[in-house]
Amino acid sequence: DAGVIQSPRHEVTEMGQEVTLRCKPISGHDYLFWYRQTMMRGLELLIYFNNNVPIDDSGMPEDRFSAKMPNASFSTLKIQPSEPRDSAVYFCASTRILNTGELFFGEGSRLTVL
Amino acid sequence: GIQVEQSPPDLILQEGANSTLRCNFSDSVNNLQWFHQNPWGQLINLFYIPSGTKQNGRLSATTVATERYSLLYISSSQTTDSGVYFCAVAGSGNAGKSTFGDGTTLTVKP
Repeated sequence: DAGVIQSPRHEVTEMGQEVTLRCKPISGHDYLFWYRQTMMRGLELLIYFNNNVPIDDSGMPEDRFSAKMPNASFSTLKIQPSEPRDSAVYFCASTRILNTGELFFGEGSRLTVL
Repeated sequence: GIQVEQSPPDLILQEGANSTLRCNFSDSVNNLQWFHQNPWGQLINLFYIPSGTKQNGRLSATTVATERYSLLYISSSQTTDSGVYFCAVAGSGNAGKSTFGDGTTLTVKP
């Protein structure tokens, strides 16, 4: 089985540019999560979806961040406009069951905003 | 929400040594996982262990849910074990979402 697939693996952009990160969850997993990892804050949950519907976006840092899941096999996390403090590794993860399911992560997208 | 504390924060071992990593959590949980983040940044699933004991090669884990802690044992450590070990828990206290500890950074020296 293919795991969670993320793209791009690395992104370097300039402040003010739009950034779009992509994720394909494991087939059959109804829950998709976006996490951000930084040295200062560790791994923090940004938003999660259930059956393509955003359930909890309380971790999204500000309005510059948005996430969508147009279908069961694709999600995007968009930052517009990007700022240097957005530099981080963004992980996508999926699971079959929220409370008791095993969480599987993609390889992450390392974003650097200059 | 659920608080997760991992200890020690850093650990340096000589190759071949054994180690125990600890994860304490503040509320009852339905889900506990251990992950290894390797030097390339990948998060590798080690154990899904909301309770009980599991073993996988040189690694084993025990969760005592009633006492709110989990332990990860690494025996005969190898340099490839280096990286950061995370504990993640989910329960009613965080609405089923996984909360991560700050991790234990393990360095195994040859």
